[in-house]
Amino acid sequence: GENVEQHPSTLSVQEGDSAVIKCTYSDSASNYFPWYKQELGKGPQLIIDIRSNVGEKKDQRIAVTLNKTAKHFSLHITETQPEDSAVYFCAAWETGANNLFFGTGTRLTVIP
Amino acid sequence: GAGVSQSPRYKVAKRGQDVALRCDPISGHVSLFWYQQALGQGPEFLTYFQNEAQLDKSGLPSDRFFAERPEGSVSTLKIQRTQQEDSAVYLCASSLMGTATGELFFGEGSRLTVL
Repeated sequence: GENVEQHPSTLSVQEGDSAVIKCTYSDSASNYFPWYKQELGKGPQLIIDIRSNVGEKKDQRIAVTLNKTAKHFSLHITETQPEDSAVYFCAAWETGANNLFFGTGTRLTVIP
Repeated sequence: GAGVSQSPRYKVAKRGQDVALRCDPISGHVSLFWYQQALGQGPEFLTYFQNEAQLDKSGLPSDRFFAERPEGSVSTLKIQRTQQEDSAVYLCASSLMGTATGELFFGEGSRLTVL
């Protein structure tokens, strides 16, 4: 089965700086890579996703890059704001499987 | 409703008790998933339904865990004879279509504490 590793586990940045979270996956058959934001006491919420036929996707201050050859993908948040503080999870959907495999999460703290 | 609704939000059970957790998916969503999230960890897959059919239950940790979705909408996750290691947040998610064709929408979870 798929194995998703996520780094770093915690990340603190000053407001306005950029934040980068990196994930690797093990199964080359995986074809869908979403990123979720989870605030305290709430369920994960999708913030951006990318499919295996593209290398980069951007939505305002958030971007995701995918390197299929190296089997890694990254989340980039620019101009961070305090409300970006949360736990972020990467995930990978293995073709033929019926579920998302999640990373262990990154706790992002944006310092005002 | 507008989103995935789960109840109860919090449940405290004594070891050995049975519990039932309910999930109301977004109306019309075909796929429904249950995940278990331990403290400080990412969600881990338990089981998957497409309409009323349970297509994958490979993530259920033991035969004490049982899930159903009899009419293809509301789902119930039942845990029999709860153990302390069952303490976790149980997340339900639904998707309009099956597999990787669309976004999974998560509920806020049911936090189970087994004493």
